[in-house]
Amino acid sequence: GPKVLQIPSHQIIDMGQMVTLNCDPVSNHLYFYWYKQILGQQMEFLVNFYNGKVMEKSKLFKDQFSVERPDGSYFTLKIQPTALEDSAVYFCASSPPTGSYAEQFFGPGTRLTVL
Amino acid sequence: GDSVTQTEGPVTVSESESLIINCTYSATSIAYPNLFWYVRYPGEGLQLLLKVITAGQKGSSRGFEATYNKETTSFHLQKASVQESDSAVYYCALGSTNAYKVIFGKGTHLHVLP
Repeated sequence: GPKVLQIPSHQIIDMGQMVTLNCDPVSNHLYFYWYKQILGQQMEFLVNFYNGKVMEKSKLFKDQFSVERPDGSYFTLKIQPTALEDSAVYFCASSPPTGSYAEQFFGPGTRLTVL
Repeated sequence: GDSVTQTEGPVTVSESESLIINCTYSATSIAYPNLFWYVRYPGEGLQLLLKVITAGQKGSSRGFEATYNKETTSFHLQKASVQESDSAVYYCALGSTNAYKVIFGKGTHLHVLP
């Protein structure tokens, strides 16, 4: 079936540094999402993105976070600067232009460790 | 607020036994919630197992079933006879046609013994 890819699978950085998480969504999908899962907790919605704009974001989507998808390339989540509490697994998802847009296709996640 | 509560894991069953993973939801801001079960197999990404968008309907896939019960606000996942390959983490989830997001439960880790 359709696959969402995430690069890298693991990332370790020092607190205060910038990090960019990359997502390669399913090719004909138009809606993109990021979720965050802290170890032992549930996966929580961060943001969704459509037509070059953030449509909705949660309280977890701090000012240090930003998303973009320049020229149809990777859909990225940038954190600048990072904080210790940003350590988590980040999941990207995408959904198609028709049908139930809540039927999202997920990537395997990027494990971010902030030291 | 909107939330999903499901069976805490891990759940361990033997092959060919029956399975039920409980899920209840609260949809205070969503008038017509859509309900989902997602599954994550070891080393793979999250994938949709089944979905039901109408109360009273049943969804099924790969031998799993779940019925959307609006009265009890439940969406329990059941399978009559599990297989070792069903070992995975199962997530109950809630979505809305008016909100571009999905609210997940904490996940239930299922171990099926051979």
